[in-house]
Amino acid sequence: KAGVTQTPRYLIKTRGQQVTLSCSPISGHRSVSWYQQTPGQGLQFLFEYFSETQRNKGNFPGRFSGRQFSNSRSEMNVSTLELGDSALYLCASSVGGMRETQYFGPGTRLLVL
Amino acid sequence: GIQVEQSPPDLILQEGANSTLRCNFSDSVNNLQWFHQNPWGQLINLFYIPSGTKQNGRLSATTVATERYSLLYISSSQTTDSGVYFCAVAVSGGSYIPTFGRGTSLIVHP
Repeated sequence: KAGVTQTPRYLIKTRGQQVTLSCSPISGHRSVSWYQQTPGQGLQFLFEYFSETQRNKGNFPGRFSGRQFSNSRSEMNVSTLELGDSALYLCASSVGGMRETQYFGPGTRLLVL
Repeated sequence: GIQVEQSPPDLILQEGANSTLRCNFSDSVNNLQWFHQNPWGQLINLFYIPSGTKQNGRLSATTVATERYSLLYISSSQTTDSGVYFCAVAVSGGSYIPTFGRGTSLIVHP
């Protein structure tokens, strides 16, 4: 099976812009979760989608949003980018949810200037 | 919120050595996972272990939820074990919102 893929792999944006990141899960996986990793805050959980519904949400402002499509592919969007949004964004997929083994993508590295 | 502390923060080993990584948490949890991030950034989910002991090859993990800690054992370490090991915990309840520790950075020399 193909692994989890994320696009784009690298992205440079300027403050105030918005960005959309994409995650394609492993075939048959219905859960997609998103994480942010920065040197200052470490790894933080953003949200989880399961069968097109947001099931869990971390403590991030409303500028961070996501969605999941019927084929389980997921997108996350960050509006009004801030310098502090520069990070590695990771997505993971699993069959039934985050209590199961999650398989991670390679990440999207976002730089906000 | 829940506090997660991992120790040691850094660890350097020679190939073949054994090691124990620790994860302490401040509140009662019924969800705990261990992850490994290799030097190229790829994250791997090692264990989901809310309690008890699990083993996978040279790695094993034990969680004692009542005493609020978990241990990850690496035996006969190899250079490919290098990277950062994270634990993540989530409190009891309907939702699952994991909190990650800062990680233990492991370097295994040949």
